[in-house]
Amino acid sequence: NAGVTQTPKFRVLKTGQSMTLLCAQDMNHEYMYWYRQDPGMGLRLIHYSVGEGTTAKGEVPDGYNVSRLKKQNFLLGLESAAPSQTSVYFCASSYPRGSWSNQPQHFGDGTRLSIL
Amino acid sequence: KNEVEQSPQNLTAQEGEFITINCSYSVGISALHWLQQHPGGGIVSLFMLSSGKKKHGRLIATINIQEKHSSLHITASHPRDSAVYICAVISGGSNYKLTFGKGTLLTVNP
Repeated sequence: NAGVTQTPKFRVLKTGQSMTLLCAQDMNHEYMYWYRQDPGMGLRLIHYSVGEGTTAKGEVPDGYNVSRLKKQNFLLGLESAAPSQTSVYFCASSYPRGSWSNQPQHFGDGTRLSIL
Repeated sequence: KNEVEQSPQNLTAQEGEFITINCSYSVGISALHWLQQHPGGGIVSLFMLSSGKKKHGRLIATINIQEKHSSLHITASHPRDSAVYICAVISGGSNYKLTFGKGTLLTVNP
């Protein structure tokens, strides 16, 4: 039972390069989220999705794009990486609140991204 | 001012001690999460609660909705409990959006 899987786990980019972070969940969750975690700050929501084919902006969406073409996958893209995007990125998934399972968010192990 | 405040920021204890970590929030909420993050590791949800108290093993979480306050207690602490403990709330009007505290770093020495 894999849960939430993030790839890659580590990556170093140069300023201006692009890349895509992949999040996959095998729990049939409707909701998926991308967060970033920076020293001295709480986790902040970048983008989220409430279902296949839908995405929405979170608290800090600038410089990122996302796609949810399949229910189980949520991709986070950096079109032109900047040093300010150096961070640890976490993906999470959950059922909607009030659903029969009423589960909390399940997190991946994180992707440590450095932009030089 | 952060909507979710945790105290203390850092906590060092001796093995066997009773631990309390506090979380105060300023918005109306529908639920509150306590999460655990080991150094360099992923994030695990410990509890989700909207009222009263929940217990799992040596961990106890309580919430007082009127006072906008929650506590996480660890009884008979152990070095393997060393981690960052994060409080997060789901706003009352939201079905999904978590607002996180900055976390409490707990170190339990043998």
